[in-house]
Amino acid sequence: NAGVTQTPKFQVLKTGQSMTLQCAQDMNHNSMYWYRQDPGMGLRLIYYSASEGTTDKGEVPNGYNVSRLNKREFSLRLESAAPSQTSVYFCASSDTFMDSTRNQPQHFGDGTRLSIL
Amino acid sequence: DAKTTQPPSMDCAEGRAANLPCNHSTISGNEYVYWYRQIHSQGPQYIIHGLKNNETNEMASLIITEDRKSSTLILPHATLRDTAVYYCIVRGPKSSGDKLTFGTGTRLAVRP
Repeated sequence: NAGVTQTPKFQVLKTGQSMTLQCAQDMNHNSMYWYRQDPGMGLRLIYYSASEGTTDKGEVPNGYNVSRLNKREFSLRLESAAPSQTSVYFCASSDTFMDSTRNQPQHFGDGTRLSIL
Repeated sequence: DAKTTQPPSMDCAEGRAANLPCNHSTISGNEYVYWYRQIHSQGPQYIIHGLKNNETNEMASLIITEDRKSSTLILPHATLRDTAVYYCIVRGPKSSGDKLTFGTGTRLAVRP
């Protein structure tokens, strides 16, 4: 059972380049999330998708776009990378979003380590 | 979401119980207490969560005080592999973006 799979695991970009971080989950979860983690800090939410076909901004969305391709996949795109976007990016998924009677944990991938020079 | 306060670091001996405290004095009635841990640079790993009652699973126990203003995560027999940063998070059913708000957590070091 793979859970949440992120690709690539490592990437180095030059300022101004673009790239897409991929995330796929095999747990049939409705909700998916993208976080970033900077050194010595907790995770911060970039974007989330409550269900297939919907996306919403999180705490730090500037400079990013997302696509919920289908129920399994949620990608994060950097259109013009900047050194401030050097970080570790984590994707997560969870079972439910709109059902307030159940509060389900988020399950995380192992991250993509992105360096922008 | 309610803010949480955790000690920045703790240690315990291998084989002993590790008790990690968390204060969440502003928690509201429908907010859950979640615990995650992050080992080295891996993705956060879900441990346990609860609302009012104490909870136990194969990894840990969660003790929530009656007034819900604080909680304790207990690792009953800590091993070296439990060395990690532990995050206590308070999360509502439909909190803003349903996000998890990670603070800086408690860095637990398990000593041989």
